[in-house]
Amino acid sequence: TQLLEQSPQFLSIQEGENLTVYCNSSSVFSSLQWYRQEPGEGPVLLVTVVTGGEVKKLKRLTFQFGDARKDSSLHITAAQPGDTGLYLCAGVGDNYGQNFVFGPGTRLSVLP
Amino acid sequence: NAGVTQTPKFRILKIGQSMTLQCAQDMNHNYMYWYRQDPGMGLKLIYYSVGAGITDKGEVPNGYNVSRSTTEYFPLRLELAAPSQTSVYFCASSRPLGTEAFFGQGTRLTVV
Repeated sequence: TQLLEQSPQFLSIQEGENLTVYCNSSSVFSSLQWYRQEPGEGPVLLVTVVTGGEVKKLKRLTFQFGDARKDSSLHITAAQPGDTGLYLCAGVGDNYGQNFVFGPGTRLSVLP
Repeated sequence: NAGVTQTPKFRILKIGQSMTLQCAQDMNHNYMYWYRQDPGMGLKLIYYSVGAGITDKGEVPNGYNVSRSTTEYFPLRLELAAPSQTSVYFCASSRPLGTEAFFGQGTRLTVV
């Protein structure tokens, strides 16, 4: 069974600070996705990374896929209260059928 | 655009009761999924389907059943509710594996 670990589990920062959250696995994934989930809602896709070493930017968010395609990071610059939520990474692999494997998430709170 | 619609949003069941969680999508996606999300945990896959008439077990299928008679609908059945099934249930759909998964708003189920 492929497992994804995320760190930190919880993060509380002040508006304007930078932060990085991590998603790690011992398994290789063909692609990896990051979702954000707000209270009472389902997760919403932020980005998909496919190539080892790939870096994608989405406004103040920077996503990186590790060279070995086992890990990923999400960096937020100048965090805003609207960034508050649960950040989930999801791996798509070849050895667990046809589905997504989700990590436990990082719960981010950005205080004004 | 409706996307993925789940009903009901909330439900309280007594131990031993049964119920069906409804899920419908209007995007003509072949892939559909049922997840449960426990507090502080990620999404655990219960069942998934790659097309009408085809379903398969995920990581935590015990106590649940599904059917997929059409592309649009993917109901989840709980036959004998147990307190361990208290959770938030999410239905999702996608085109091919690895593309964006679209989630419903979830059903919060409490078994007492």
